[in-house]
Amino acid sequence: IAGITQAPTSQILAAGRRMTLRCTQDMRHNAMYWYRQDLGLGLRLIHYSNTAGTTGKGEVPDGYSVSRANTDDFPLTLASAVPSQTSVYFCASSGSGLAGSEQFFGPGTRLTVL
Amino acid sequence: SQQGEEDPQALSIQEGENATMNCSYKTSINNLQWYRQNSGRGLVHLILIRSNEREKHSGRLRVTLDTSKKSSSLLITASRAADTASYFCATSGAGGTSYGKLTFGQGTILTVHP
Repeated sequence: IAGITQAPTSQILAAGRRMTLRCTQDMRHNAMYWYRQDLGLGLRLIHYSNTAGTTGKGEVPDGYSVSRANTDDFPLTLASAVPSQTSVYFCASSGSGLAGSEQFFGPGTRLTVL
Repeated sequence: SQQGEEDPQALSIQEGENATMNCSYKTSINNLQWYRQNSGRGLVHLILIRSNEREKHSGRLRVTLDTSKKSSSLLITASRAADTASYFCATSGAGGTSYGKLTFGQGTILTVHP
């Protein structure tokens, strides 16, 4: 692994189903982030974690949950998917969450909720 | 709400010409960053400029920051077809709940014709 990986690459999901998007980084970065990207709206922060064991809410957290059990992994869970959660999801990491430093992005997960 | 607003939304130029993209923001910042996104891919960090800096260069990239006007510009000189991508500015807040987190603009779509 080099950098950040996300899985799955794409997924079609029925409304009401539970889904976990996976994100793993091998850079030993303290901070990790989840964004969603929608046409015309740019990237919006869903949840973040400044260090293992802590998480925080971003701009659009409703309907999503995260956990940060260790430094490398930061899964994003949709407990009961709705069509408005159709989007491209990006995971990112940075060396420090406190200094607004450069973020490194994964390749994204394209999610369609029907 | 989005912190950064970018202008123009789309820019089409010929290879060899310069491309200028602008970003405006609303609140005090710690730093401002520019990212590039090729179609269907994750974002890649280009350059970071701190609030106490006015200009920064990296290869063919030149970034300026005017904190009195709350604006930044990204200049790509001698553009190439491979520069075709979306470009995003992102601001890192100077304090409060925004500290350390990035807020992205909606992006400028740059097309460079060979």
